[in-house]
Amino acid sequence: GQQVMQIPQYQHVQEGEDFTTYCNSSTTLSNIQWYKQRPGGHPVFLIQLVKSGEVKKQKRLTFQFGEAKKNSSLHITATQTTDVGTYFCAGIQGAQKLVFGQGTRLTINP
Amino acid sequence: DAGVTQSPTHLIKTRGQHVTLRCSPISGHKSVSWYQQVLGQGPQFIFQYYEKEERGRGNFPDRFSARQFPNYSSELNVNALLLGDSALYLCASSLGTGNEKLFFGSGTQLSVL
Repeated sequence: GQQVMQIPQYQHVQEGEDFTTYCNSSTTLSNIQWYKQRPGGHPVFLIQLVKSGEVKKQKRLTFQFGEAKKNSSLHITATQTTDVGTYFCAGIQGAQKLVFGQGTRLTINP
Repeated sequence: DAGVTQSPTHLIKTRGQHVTLRCSPISGHKSVSWYQQVLGQGPQFIFQYYEKEERGRGNFPDRFSARQFPNYSSELNVNALLLGDSALYLCASSLGTGNEKLFFGSGTQLSVL
């Protein structure tokens, strides 16, 4: 079945440093979504990418969808303590339902 | 407007018991999905319901069942609980069954002893 892998599993940075998490699928994805889950919270939708090679920005966050629609990345510029949490990518392949990666947990040293 | 509401927030059960978790979607949303999230892992898809019909099922045993009511609320039932069923159970609502974003509730934390 479809698998969505994320790396790294954990990332600790100093406040102000950049952060990137990568998402890879074993199959072509029709789209990819990104969610953020704060400690003790629930996943909250960030963005959806649909087109091959698509790049979207939300303030300090940049999301990319690979040309082959099998990988994606989330880059945060100049992290802030409010960025702490676990970032999940989630993909849909064909008629499959949303499959989540295992997430990248971001911690920040102020 | 109210978001997705789930009840109860926490639950403690013993092995072999059954449990019913409840979810009310955002007003106007017709689809409800259930996910299981084990600590340190991503949410795992259990079920999706749309207009009271099951539209998708994940790789979970038959001990897991669900239904959706005419008001679009939903219940997840788990029978013969195992220790490994301990997890956060998340309900998510969406407008339809397409590739739309999910709105998650705060979840029910189930502990099986």
